[in-house]
Amino acid sequence: GAVVSQHPSRVICKSGTSVKIECRSLDFQATTMFWYRQFPKQSLMLMATSNEGSKATYEQGVEKDKFLINHASLTLSTLTVTSAHPEDSSFYICSASRSVNEQFFGPGTRLTVL
Amino acid sequence: AQSVTQPDIHITVSEGASLELRCNYSYGATPYLFWYVQSPGQGLQLLLKYFSGDTLVQGIKGFEAEFKRSQSSFNLRKPSVHWSDAAEYSCAVAPNRGSTLGRLYFGRGTQLTVWP
Repeated sequence: GAVVSQHPSRVICKSGTSVKIECRSLDFQATTMFWYRQFPKQSLMLMATSNEGSKATYEQGVEKDKFLINHASLTLSTLTVTSAHPEDSSFYICSASRSVNEQFFGPGTRLTVL
Repeated sequence: AQSVTQPDIHITVSEGASLELRCNYSYGATPYLFWYVQSPGQGLQLLLKYFSGDTLVQGIKGFEAEFKRSQSSFNLRKPSVHWSDAAEYSCAVAPNRGSTLGRLYFGRGTQLTVWP
């Protein structure tokens, strides 16, 4: 149990376009979902925390207008990178939580912006 | 500044040798502590966690970790490494206070290579 999926696993897009990444908890309801970003040889960095039906809480330095997060149901959260640029190229990972201090991670999405 | 430090970027050990991966944290109060492992194409998998109580924690796959409050450390150990243990290992901290409740902050990870 406690499986989290992400789609797509890999995406390449042109600069200026928007990209949507889906995160789903397949066999449990997630009250909270988290979005992380990882640049090569750097730590996994928390971007934002989202609770179903409410606005996401962004970490300091993360542009909320650029990284739109929607948590419309207890099993689905989406991250939209708007007007993507090459510096947004990264590995994006989501996690889903059904209780405090218990997170289950998706396999990640590799975004490349040309 | 609050931080999670894994000083070793890459460690290489021979199969059957012992392993210790270091993790230090800098937070005001004792946070909750975690070790995760990540293999290519797979999500992070929880190896073990420490919330309170016995400072030596047993995890999956034969791993253990010891919390040392005086050193702000939570080092991961395994007495005998197997080739299948080759992966990226990340230490994480949940400050668990106020608005940060539930959030995880990670070290940069240690890549483990195992020689046959």
